[in-house]
Amino acid sequence: DAGITQSPRHKVTETGTPVTLRCHQTENHRYMYWYRQDPGHGLRLIHYSYGVKDTDKGEVSDGYSVSRSKTEDFLLTLESATSSQTSVYFCAISRTSGREAWENIQYFGAGTRLSVL
Amino acid sequence: KNQVEQSPQSLIILEGKNCTLQCNYTVSPFSNLRWYKQDTGRGPVSLTIMTFSENTKSNGRYTATLDADTKQSSLHITASQLSDSASYICVVSRDTGNQFYFGTGTSLTVIP
Repeated sequence: DAGITQSPRHKVTETGTPVTLRCHQTENHRYMYWYRQDPGHGLRLIHYSYGVKDTDKGEVSDGYSVSRSKTEDFLLTLESATSSQTSVYFCAISRTSGREAWENIQYFGAGTRLSVL
Repeated sequence: KNQVEQSPQSLIILEGKNCTLQCNYTVSPFSNLRWYKQDTGRGPVSLTIMTFSENTKSNGRYTATLDADTKQSSLHITASQLSDSASYICVVSRDTGNQFYFGTGTSLTVIP
C-alpha cells in the first residue's frame, strides 16, 4: 500500500460545514494526488502536489483547496461542504517503477467515504 | 478532449471462463497505459503498465494488449476465479507520466 493512510475513513457532515481530509505517506514521495470517485464517473483529479507547498488544480477543483506543508501530509479541505461533494475520496502517491523516470505507478489509499447531508 | 472509455460497463462470467475487457482512449500525447483492479471498498491496485512501444504485458492470469495506432487496449483474464470479481479501470497518462486519465471501469462478477 506504499504506506498511505487516509483519515478519517468515514465522515458524515452537514451542508455548509468545513471538512478536512488527511492523507499521510511514509515513503517520502514527491507527488501526491486527491481524487474523487462517483458512480458513472472515473476517478477525477481534484488537486495534486509535486512538492512541499507546490500544488496544482485538477479537473474538478472548484470548492476544494489543498495544502502540503510537509512531504508526508497532503490535506484536502472543503471550505463549505455541499451535497454534491458527497463522494469517496482517494489519495494517491506516484512512485517510479524504476525502469524509466516517467513510468510512474500510482498507489492509492483505502479511501474516505464522505456524506454531506 | 482527453478521454478514456471502457466497455462493457459490467460483465458476469462463470468461474473458470476467460474474458476480455476493452479500453479506448483519446489522450494525447500518450505516455503510458495501465490497468488497475479495484476491489469493493478499496483503492485501485496496479495490474500492468505499458508504454507505446509495448503491445502486450502479462501479470499472472492477466494479459494486457495495446495498439497505440488505434488507441485501444484490452485486458484478458484467463481461467477466472471468484477473487477476480472487482472493477477494472483503464488509466492513460500523458506528457511526463504524472497526469492520469481514468476510465469509468468495467465491473466484473465471477460466479461459481
